[in-house]
Amino acid sequence: SQQGEEDPQALSIQEGENATMNCSYKTSINNLQWYRQNSGRGLVHLILIRSNEREKHSGRLRVTLDTSKKSSSLLITASRAADTASYFCASTSGTYKYIFGTGTRLKVLA
Amino acid sequence: SAVISQKPSRDICQRGTSLTIQCQVDSQVTMMFWYRQQPGQSLTLIATANQGSEATYESGFVIDKFPISRPNLTFSTLTVSNMSPEDSSIYLCSVAGTGDGNQPQHFGDGTRLSIL
Repeated sequence: SQQGEEDPQALSIQEGENATMNCSYKTSINNLQWYRQNSGRGLVHLILIRSNEREKHSGRLRVTLDTSKKSSSLLITASRAADTASYFCASTSGTYKYIFGTGTRLKVLA
Repeated sequence: SAVISQKPSRDICQRGTSLTIQCQVDSQVTMMFWYRQQPGQSLTLIATANQGSEATYESGFVIDKFPISRPNLTFSTLTVSNMSPEDSSIYLCSVAGTGDGNQPQHFGDGTRLSIL
C-alpha cells in the first residue's frame, strides 16, 4: 500500500499542552500537506510544506519535513478543546494523487 | 477557497438499490475527486471526475459500480450502484485548482451512507 503511516493513532492531552503527531511516507514527494477533520465533517487544509522546505509555521502550527527520513511532524502548541479532531497528512509526487496517511485522533481535554 | 456542497449528507438504503450523491462547487475547478472513508479510517481515492470525458478510476473501483458524471466545471455526481452492506461508508467529494498536487484540496462534508 502507498498509504502513509501516522503515529500515534490516538493522542489525549490537557488543554494548554502541546500535541505532536508524526507522518511517514514511502516515495519521494513534491510536497506534504496536513489536514484536520472534525467529527462528521470534511477535511480542512491546514498547511503545505514543499520538499525543499524543512520547517513551516502557521499560527499555533509548526510543521517539519525530513525528506531523508521520509517523515514529517505536526506540532500544535497551546492546544485548545476546539483542536479536538483527526489529523491527516497527505503527500503528493507531482501528479493529481494525494496519498493520505492513516490519521491521528487528537482529544484535548478542557 | 472553494465552497463545496454535498448532498445528501446522510442516507440509509436497502441493499440492491442505488444512490446518487451530488457535489456542487461555488466556482469553476479543474480537478474533482471522489473518496471513500470508512469510519475512523483514512481516505481512499475512488476516481477523478473529468469534465467532458469518462472518469479515471483507481484500482479496485469500476465504472459499473461507481458511475460518475461531470457535466461542467462546478458539478459532479457519484452513484453507488447495487449497494451491499460493504458499501456502508462516508463518501467525500473534493476539488483542487490544478492536477499537479501543488495545491490543497477542499472537501465537502461528506455523505454518510448506511446499507441495511
